[in-house]
Amino acid sequence: AQKVTQAQTEISVVEKEDVTLDCVYETRDTTYYLFWYKQPPSGELVFLIRRNSFDEQNEISGRYSWNFQKSTSSFNFTITASQVVDSAVYFCALSEAGNSGGGADGLTFGKGTHLIIQP
Amino acid sequence: NAGVTQTPKFQVLKTGQSMTLQCAQDMNHEYMSWYRQDPGMGLRLIHYSVGAGITDQGEVPNGYNVSRSTTEDFPLRLLSAAPSQTSVYFCASSQTGSRNEQFFGPGTRLTVL
Repeated sequence: AQKVTQAQTEISVVEKEDVTLDCVYETRDTTYYLFWYKQPPSGELVFLIRRNSFDEQNEISGRYSWNFQKSTSSFNFTITASQVVDSAVYFCALSEAGNSGGGADGLTFGKGTHLIIQP
Repeated sequence: NAGVTQTPKFQVLKTGQSMTLQCAQDMNHEYMSWYRQDPGMGLRLIHYSVGAGITDQGEVPNGYNVSRSTTEDFPLRLLSAAPSQTSVYFCASSQTGSRNEQFFGPGTRLTVL
């Protein structure tokens, strides 16, 4: 069965520091999709990125970057020059789109990392 | 576009009561789903639907029913609420399945006493 592990329950850094959030996944499918979502204190879920299993290129969007490594089953998220507005819970999630195991068509979420950016 | 809407935002129930959480989307998405979020647990899939008239179970379906009579609406029913169902419930939709970006509703915070 699929699994997503976010080992860092909480991270606290001072503003302007760089911070990396780890995500390790398990799946038997060769076709799958990985996601990151942000949940700010207001509670809504904000989509950040989607990556399919055939595209291992790293991606950068402003201060955000993602490192996808199939060899280590990891999809880590780095925030450069963190800001107070980055304070939130961040979730990594997996979709086994190939669904070869006959499982449910839904996202498997990690337990989330609570990121605190101190001014 | 309103996106994904959920009502109510907050609800308090007594054990044994029933209620329906409403979810609607105006993006003509085929796929809709329900998740619950508990402290320290991430989000877990309750039920999902790949189109009108089709529903299926997720990871934690017990105690919940769903139906999908229209593309737009995907209500979640609690038949006999239990304290273990105290949670925040999120509805989501996407074009075709969990492989696509999910658009989440604002959530319903449910407390069962």
